[in-house]
Formats: sequence, structure tokens, C-alpha cells
Amino acid sequence: SAVISQKPSRDICQRGTSLTIQCQVDSQVTMMFWYRQQPGQSLTLIATANQGSEATYESGFVIDKFPISRPNLTFSTLTVSNMSPEDSSIYLCSVEDGWTGDTGELFFGEGSRLTVL
Amino acid sequence: AQKVTQAQTEISVVEKEDVTLDCVYETRDTTYYLFWYKQPPSGELVFLIRRNSFDEQNEISGRYSWNFQKSTSSFNFTITASQVVDSAVYFCALSEGGNKLVFGAGTILRVKS
Repeated sequence: SAVISQKPSRDICQRGTSLTIQCQVDSQVTMMFWYRQQPGQSLTLIATANQGSEATYESGFVIDKFPISRPNLTFSTLTVSNMSPEDSSIYLCSVEDGWTGDTGELFFGEGSRLTVL
Repeated sequence: AQKVTQAQTEISVVEKEDVTLDCVYETRDTTYYLFWYKQPPSGELVFLIRRNSFDEQNEISGRYSWNFQKSTSSFNFTITASQVVDSAVYFCALSEGGNKLVFGAGTILRVKS
């Protein structure tokens, strides 16, 4: 099973600033996913990141607000830009186990808990 | 469109009681996948099970069991002889393929000693 490390694990940020979250996987994976979990809420997919191409964003999320990088098969970053208190959430990185393209087990990092003041 | 409904917002039980968490899903696809995840207070998501739409066989893993019924579009999760360590938020999720998961709202399970 994949082991996923996220940094930072938590942070307190000021309104208007930007923060980059890192996701490191211990094995090569085709697709990486970024989810958001707002306080007391469920998880919502922000975008899918493939190496070598632009991320694919879900409805309601845009690249200017959540730019994503995927420089190689084991690493990705998500930036939360121009933060407001509404961006206070847990941001989770996820990868799929397996290369078949079938929906296998999705592994999640421990999440990055952001609080915006 | 995909939708997952977990009608139980919060459940409280006493240790050793059995508890069932309900999950009802909506999808137009004939091929899809259902998941359960556990999110303990520490925050990480722990994978519990994946089931594809062609496999309606119920599954038991230790104190956990899952009941998949396509006729009612349900994928319920039962914990037998609950323990305090089972206290967590449990999420049911659905994928129509392509690795995108749609999560239910989650059910908070509190197991008291």
C-alpha cells in the first residue's frame, strides 16, 4: 500500500496570503488527487493531477485559486491562493493503488489542516 | 448524477453494542464502485472496503461486515460488538470509474464505555 506524506500537517495563515501544500508518495503513481474537507463536512474533489499535463479541476474550483504542480510520479503540490477564512479546511492528497485504470483502493495522506484568520 | 446519502448524522452506542451505518447511493451507471472509509479524530482517512457493482456478496472482516443490496441501492456497514476505538467519522463513497470519488456526508459514531 502507498504511503503518503503531506506537509505542512497544519498551519495558521493570514487572509490574503498563499500557502503551498506538498504531497510525497513512496511509490510512483499515475494519478494524484486533491480533496478538500471543510469543517464538519464531507470530502470534495478539487482536482486530479497527472504528471506532465495540467491538472483537471472539478466544478467550482479554478486553477487561479488552486494551482497544482505535478513535476514527477511521486510528488505534487497544491497552492491555496489569496486565502480567506472560507478556505479554512483540511486538504487531503490521495493516490490510487494500482496501474490498471480501474478504481482501486484510494490511499489518503493525513491531511493538511489550514486555518485562515 | 452520482449521489451518496448517509442519513445518520451521528450515532451513539455503548460498548459491545452492534451498530449499523446506512449508505444509500444514486448512479446511472451499471458499473460502479462503493467504498467505506474511517476517519478517526487524528484526521487521516483509513480505507475499509471497496466493492464493485457486480459483486453483491456480503463481506465480513472481523467485527466489520457489509451488506450490499443493488435492489435498494444500499451499502450498509455493521460493526459488531463495538469498541471505543471504533469512535470516528465513517464515510461511504461512490465512484463510476475514473477514480473520482463522491463522498457521503459522513456518520459520526461515538462508542461510550
